[in-house]
Amino acid sequence: GQNIDQPTEMTATEGAIVQINCTYQTSGFNGLFWYQQHAGEAPTFLSYNVLDGLEEKGRFSSFLSRSKGYSYLLLKELQMKDSASYLCAVNYGNNRLAFGKGNQVVVIP
Amino acid sequence: DADVTQTPRNRITKTGKRIMLECSQTKGHDRMYWYRQDPGLGLRLIYYSFDVKDINKGEISDGYSVSRQAQAKFSLSLESAIPNQTALYFCATSGGPGHNEQFFGPGTRLTVL
Repeated sequence: GQNIDQPTEMTATEGAIVQINCTYQTSGFNGLFWYQQHAGEAPTFLSYNVLDGLEEKGRFSSFLSRSKGYSYLLLKELQMKDSASYLCAVNYGNNRLAFGKGNQVVVIP
Repeated sequence: DADVTQTPRNRITKTGKRIMLECSQTKGHDRMYWYRQDPGLGLRLIYYSFDVKDINKGEISDGYSVSRQAQAKFSLSLESAIPNQTALYFCATSGGPGHNEQFFGPGTRLTVL
């Protein structure tokens, strides 16, 4: 089976930086995705890491360490619209994704 | 226009009824997927298809069946719905090898009474 672990919820202040962690144990690894999901809506793609290191894309950065089975998503300059669930997903082979339960981020003024 | 569409968006049905959820895409992708999402459990893969003649079970396929009528259409059926199939169902698509990102439809909220 596939095991993806994320913390369930965190609260942060507008303008701050928040780091969302994800650890995984999977039968295969062909890359790790981060998705954002607002309540009742479809997940939308944020980032993709297949090699170790940091990928930066505007206010969002994602880091991967394959040897540690670990990734994090960094959200900078938090805005109210960033209040959402952030899903970590691992491609464990043949483009099948195993998802974590999601980390609910609540941004407060 | 949305690239991945799902119908219906909401459905309430009774135990034992047959239900079909439909998914269409205009992205020209070969690969299509069905997931369900439950509070506290995250997204779980039900079935996936890599082309019209290819159907594969995911981690929770029991009680479900699928049909890939064309490259653009992938339907999910519940032959005899039961209350624990109440969930939010998402269809997703992706391109071929090397094109890994999955694009999700808006979801179907299904309630089985």
